[in-house]
Amino acid sequence: GAGVSQSPRYKVTKRGQDVTLRCDPISSHATLYWYQQALGQGPEFLTYFNYEAQPDKSGLPSDRFSAERPEGSISTLTIQRTEQRDSAMYRCASSLGLYTGELFFGEGSRLTVL
Amino acid sequence: TQLLEQSPQFLSIQEGENLTVYCNSSSVFSSLQWYRQEPGEGPVLLVTVVTGGEVKKLKRLTFQFGDARKDSSLHITAAQPGDTGLYLCASSSNTGKLIFGQGTTLQVKP
Repeated sequence: GAGVSQSPRYKVTKRGQDVTLRCDPISSHATLYWYQQALGQGPEFLTYFNYEAQPDKSGLPSDRFSAERPEGSISTLTIQRTEQRDSAMYRCASSLGLYTGELFFGEGSRLTVL
Repeated sequence: TQLLEQSPQFLSIQEGENLTVYCNSSSVFSSLQWYRQEPGEGPVLLVTVVTGGEVKKLKRLTFQFGDARKDSSLHITAAQPGDTGLYLCASSSNTGKLIFGQGTTLQVKP
Protein backbone atom coordinates (compact mmCIF):
# COMPACT_ATOMS: atom_id res chain seq x y z
CA GLY A 1 0.00 0.00 0.00
CA ALA A 2 0.90 3.66 -0.20
CA GLY A 3 1.44 4.04 3.52
CA VAL A 4 1.51 1.99 6.71
CA SER A 5 -1.99 1.03 7.74
CA GLN A 6 -3.01 -0.09 11.21
CA SER A 7 -6.28 -1.47 12.46
CA PRO A 8 -8.28 -1.03 14.50
CA ARG A 9 -7.59 2.64 15.20
CA TYR A 10 -9.33 2.33 18.56
CA LYS A 11 -10.01 -0.73 20.65
CA VAL A 12 -11.76 -0.85 24.00
CA THR A 13 -11.75 -4.20 25.74
CA LYS A 14 -12.36 -5.68 29.15
CA ARG A 15 -9.60 -6.96 31.35
CA GLY A 16 -8.83 -10.59 30.60
CA GLN A 17 -9.85 -10.50 26.95
CA ASP A 18 -7.43 -11.19 24.09
CA VAL A 19 -6.74 -8.46 21.54
CA THR A 20 -5.11 -8.61 18.10
CA LEU A 21 -3.78 -5.52 16.35
CA ARG A 22 -2.93 -5.51 12.67
CA CYS A 23 -0.28 -3.71 10.65
CA ASP A 24 -0.09 -3.55 6.86
CA PRO A 25 3.32 -2.06 5.95
CA ILE A 26 4.43 -0.31 2.78
CA SER A 27 4.54 -3.11 0.22
CA SER A 28 8.23 -2.87 -0.70
CA HIS A 29 9.43 -2.71 2.90
CA ALA A 30 11.30 -5.65 4.39
CA THR A 31 11.52 -4.47 7.98
CA LEU A 32 8.59 -3.93 10.32
CA TYR A 33 8.66 -2.62 13.87
CA TRP A 34 6.17 -2.57 16.72
CA TYR A 35 6.33 0.11 19.40
CA GLN A 36 4.30 1.07 22.44
CA GLN A 37 3.94 4.78 23.05
CA ALA A 38 2.66 6.68 26.08
CA LEU A 39 1.36 10.21 25.61
CA GLY A 40 4.19 12.72 25.34
CA GLN A 41 6.87 10.02 25.45
CA GLY A 42 9.07 8.42 22.82
CA PRO A 43 8.05 5.08 21.30
CA GLU A 44 9.21 2.06 23.32
CA PHE A 45 10.54 -0.81 21.22
CA LEU A 46 8.58 -4.06 21.39
CA THR A 47 9.81 -6.23 18.54
CA TYR A 48 10.78 -6.16 14.90
CA PHE A 49 10.72 -8.36 11.81
CA ASN A 50 13.04 -8.58 8.85
CA TYR A 51 10.85 -10.23 6.25
CA GLU A 52 9.26 -13.08 8.26
CA ALA A 53 12.17 -13.49 10.67
CA GLN A 54 11.86 -11.95 14.14
CA PRO A 55 15.46 -11.21 15.20
CA ASP A 56 14.62 -9.26 18.34
CA LYS A 57 11.59 -9.47 20.61
CA SER A 58 13.36 -8.26 23.71
CA GLY A 59 10.94 -5.39 24.21
CA LEU A 60 7.80 -7.48 24.62
CA PRO A 61 6.71 -6.81 28.23
CA SER A 62 5.60 -10.36 29.04
CA ASP A 63 4.76 -13.69 27.47
CA ARG A 64 1.19 -12.41 27.06
CA PHE A 65 2.50 -10.39 24.11
CA SER A 66 3.32 -12.04 20.79
CA ALA A 67 3.76 -10.90 17.22
CA GLU A 68 3.70 -12.63 13.85
CA ARG A 69 4.56 -11.84 10.27
CA PRO A 70 4.13 -15.23 8.62
CA GLU A 71 4.49 -14.18 4.97
CA GLY A 72 6.79 -11.23 5.46
CA SER A 73 4.13 -8.62 4.84
CA ILE A 74 1.17 -8.06 7.19
CA SER A 75 1.94 -8.39 10.89
CA THR A 76 -0.21 -8.89 13.94
CA LEU A 77 0.45 -8.09 17.58
CA THR A 78 -1.59 -10.16 20.01
CA ILE A 79 -2.04 -9.43 23.68
CA GLN A 80 -3.55 -12.27 25.67
CA ARG A 81 -5.44 -11.82 28.93
CA THR A 82 -5.22 -8.04 28.72
CA GLU A 83 -4.53 -5.99 31.82
CA GLN A 84 -5.23 -2.32 32.47
CA ARG A 85 -1.51 -1.53 32.27
CA ASP A 86 -1.58 -2.67 28.61
CA SER A 87 -3.60 0.45 27.75
CA ALA A 88 -1.45 2.47 25.36
CA MET A 89 -0.95 3.56 21.77
CA TYR A 90 0.61 0.76 19.73
CA ARG A 91 2.50 1.96 16.68
CA CYS A 92 3.75 -0.01 13.72
CA ALA A 93 6.47 1.26 11.40
CA SER A 94 8.20 -0.11 8.33
CA SER A 95 11.43 0.58 6.47
CA LEU A 96 13.05 -0.59 3.27
CA GLY A 97 15.45 -2.76 5.21
CA LEU A 98 17.68 -3.10 8.22
CA TYR A 99 19.93 -0.08 8.84
CA THR A 100 18.51 1.56 5.71
CA GLY A 101 17.14 4.66 7.31
CA GLU A 102 13.72 6.13 7.46
CA LEU A 103 10.91 4.55 9.42
CA PHE A 104 7.41 5.21 8.15
CA PHE A 105 4.83 5.04 10.91
CA GLY A 106 1.19 4.11 10.84
CA GLU A 107 -1.45 6.13 12.65
CA GLY A 108 -1.42 3.73 15.56
CA SER A 109 -3.93 1.60 17.43
CA ARG A 110 -5.12 3.03 20.73
CA LEU A 111 -5.95 0.25 23.16
CA THR A 112 -7.99 0.87 26.28
CA VAL A 113 -8.41 -1.96 28.77
CA LEU A 114 -11.23 -1.43 31.25
CA THR B 1 21.76 -1.78 26.14
CA GLN B 2 22.10 1.60 24.47
CA LEU B 3 19.94 4.30 26.00
CA LEU B 4 19.23 7.67 24.44
CA GLU B 5 18.77 10.58 26.81
CA GLN B 6 17.09 13.71 25.55
CA SER B 7 17.01 17.09 27.22
CA PRO B 8 15.12 19.10 28.04
CA GLN B 9 11.96 17.00 28.38
CA PHE B 10 9.70 20.00 27.92
CA LEU B 11 10.23 23.44 26.41
CA SER B 12 7.73 26.26 26.16
CA ILE B 13 8.90 29.38 24.30
CA GLN B 14 7.58 32.42 22.48
CA GLU B 15 7.50 32.70 18.72
CA GLY B 16 10.80 34.04 17.38
CA GLU B 17 13.02 32.57 20.09
CA ASN B 18 15.85 30.11 19.45
CA LEU B 19 16.20 26.74 21.14
CA THR B 20 18.43 23.69 21.28
CA VAL B 21 17.48 20.09 22.04
CA TYR B 22 20.07 17.49 23.00
CA CYS B 23 20.40 13.74 22.56
CA ASN B 24 23.13 11.80 24.38
CA SER B 25 24.24 8.23 24.78
CA SER B 26 26.95 6.38 26.68
CA SER B 27 27.60 4.36 23.51
CA VAL B 28 28.79 5.38 20.09
CA PHE B 29 26.03 5.85 17.53
CA SER B 30 26.41 4.20 14.16
CA SER B 31 24.01 6.82 12.90
CA LEU B 32 21.33 8.97 14.44
CA GLN B 33 17.94 10.08 13.26
CA TRP B 34 15.75 12.98 14.36
CA TYR B 35 11.97 12.72 14.07
CA ARG B 36 9.15 15.13 14.77
CA GLN B 37 5.75 13.96 15.93
CA GLU B 38 2.68 16.18 15.81
CA PRO B 39 -0.31 15.51 18.08
CA GLY B 40 -2.37 12.54 16.87
CA GLU B 41 0.19 11.56 14.23
CA GLY B 42 3.12 9.16 13.97
CA PRO B 43 6.73 10.39 14.01
CA VAL B 44 8.11 11.72 10.73
CA LEU B 45 11.81 11.67 9.86
CA LEU B 46 13.57 15.04 9.75
CA VAL B 47 17.18 14.02 9.16
CA THR B 48 19.78 11.27 9.50
CA VAL B 49 23.35 12.05 10.57
CA VAL B 50 26.11 9.54 10.04
CA THR B 51 29.55 11.15 10.20
CA GLY B 52 31.13 12.52 13.40
CA GLY B 53 31.11 16.33 13.32
CA GLU B 54 28.47 16.40 10.60
CA VAL B 55 26.17 19.42 10.40
CA LYS B 56 22.94 19.36 8.41
CA LYS B 57 20.50 22.19 7.87
CA LEU B 58 16.83 21.96 7.10
CA LYS B 59 15.47 25.51 6.72
CA ARG B 60 15.53 26.92 10.27
CA LEU B 61 16.64 23.60 11.81
CA THR B 62 20.33 22.78 12.28
CA PHE B 63 21.38 19.27 13.27
CA GLN B 64 24.82 18.48 14.62
CA PHE B 65 26.47 15.12 15.26
CA GLY B 66 29.20 15.10 17.90
CA ASP B 67 32.76 14.35 16.84
CA ALA B 68 32.77 11.16 18.92
CA ARG B 69 29.30 10.20 17.64
CA LYS B 70 27.91 9.93 21.17
CA ASP B 71 25.77 13.05 21.13
CA SER B 72 23.68 15.15 18.80
CA SER B 73 21.82 18.42 18.93
CA LEU B 74 18.94 20.07 17.13
CA HIS B 75 18.87 23.86 17.01
CA ILE B 76 15.83 25.78 15.85
CA THR B 77 16.21 29.42 14.89
CA ALA B 78 13.29 31.83 15.20
CA ALA B 79 10.80 29.18 16.29
CA GLN B 80 7.28 29.34 14.91
CA PRO B 81 4.01 27.87 16.25
CA GLY B 82 4.18 25.28 13.46
CA ASP B 83 7.34 23.88 15.08
CA THR B 84 5.27 22.71 18.03
CA GLY B 85 5.53 18.96 18.56
CA LEU B 86 7.46 16.09 20.10
CA TYR B 87 11.07 15.86 18.90
CA LEU B 88 12.65 12.43 19.04
CA CYS B 89 16.13 11.12 18.42
CA ALA B 90 16.60 7.49 17.41
CA SER B 91 19.44 5.10 16.75
CA SER B 92 19.92 1.48 15.73
CA SER B 93 21.42 -1.05 18.09
CA ASN B 94 23.78 -3.75 16.86
CA THR B 95 20.81 -6.17 16.75
CA GLY B 96 19.04 -3.96 14.24
CA LYS B 97 16.35 -2.58 16.48
CA LEU B 98 15.73 1.15 16.31
CA ILE B 99 15.38 2.74 19.74
CA PHE B 100 14.06 6.19 20.56
CA GLY B 101 14.84 8.74 23.21
CA GLN B 102 12.08 9.81 25.57
CA GLY B 103 11.45 12.92 23.51
CA THR B 104 11.38 16.69 23.95
CA THR B 105 7.96 18.32 23.86
CA LEU B 106 8.21 21.77 22.29
CA GLN B 107 5.45 24.33 22.59
CA VAL B 108 5.85 27.57 20.62
CA LYS B 109 3.38 30.26 21.64
CA PRO B 110 2.31 32.92 19.11
